[in-house]
Amino acid sequence: GQQLNQSPQSMFIQEGEDVSMNCTSSSIFNTWLWYKQDPGEGPVLLIALYKAGELTSNGRLTAQFGITRKDSFLNISASIPSDVGIYFCAGQLHAGKSTFGDGTTLTVKP
Amino acid sequence: EPEVTQTPSHQVTQMGQEVILRCVPISNHLYFYWYRQILGQKVEFLVSFYNNEISEKSEIFDDQFSVERPDGSNFTLKIRSTKLEDSAMYFCASPRQTDALYGYTFGSGTRLTVV
Repeated sequence: GQQLNQSPQSMFIQEGEDVSMNCTSSSIFNTWLWYKQDPGEGPVLLIALYKAGELTSNGRLTAQFGITRKDSFLNISASIPSDVGIYFCAGQLHAGKSTFGDGTTLTVKP
Repeated sequence: EPEVTQTPSHQVTQMGQEVILRCVPISNHLYFYWYRQILGQKVEFLVSFYNNEISEKSEIFDDQFSVERPDGSNFTLKIRSTKLEDSAMYFCASPRQTDALYGYTFGSGTRLTVV
């Protein structure tokens, strides 16, 4: 089946720093998605990308859909303590299912 | 924003027992999904349900699993004879838009503990 490689596995940063994480796949996707998960909760969608090369922002978050359709990155600028959580990338080929990456655990030190 | 509601939030069951996890998905969508997440691991696809039948399922979704839409608003996941390795968070999801290619709204999950 399709596999997503997400990196880094974890990040420890100072408040105010910028963050970058990425996902790569051996096969193409038609949609790339980035979710954030807080402890004990379901993932919450942050950004959805639908076209190769697309760059989309949501506040301090910016994500890009790679031109090859096999990768995506997420940047968080000027991190704040509430950015703490686990960030998952996910790819969708069709409406049937999403394939998730292993997650990046973000810790922000005040 | 529309919500997906799951009950119970936590269920403890003995190995070999049957469990039913319940979901009220966002109305007016045709797609419904179940995912699971073993503690500390990634979210894994179990099954998608479209037009009142299974449209796709993963290798995890074996004969012990079944899904049902018993009425117009509920969506259930049944595990017939639970195993220790079924312990996980189970999430129900609805597509954020009707064509289902724009990501999901997830419920808060049911934590299943098999002892």
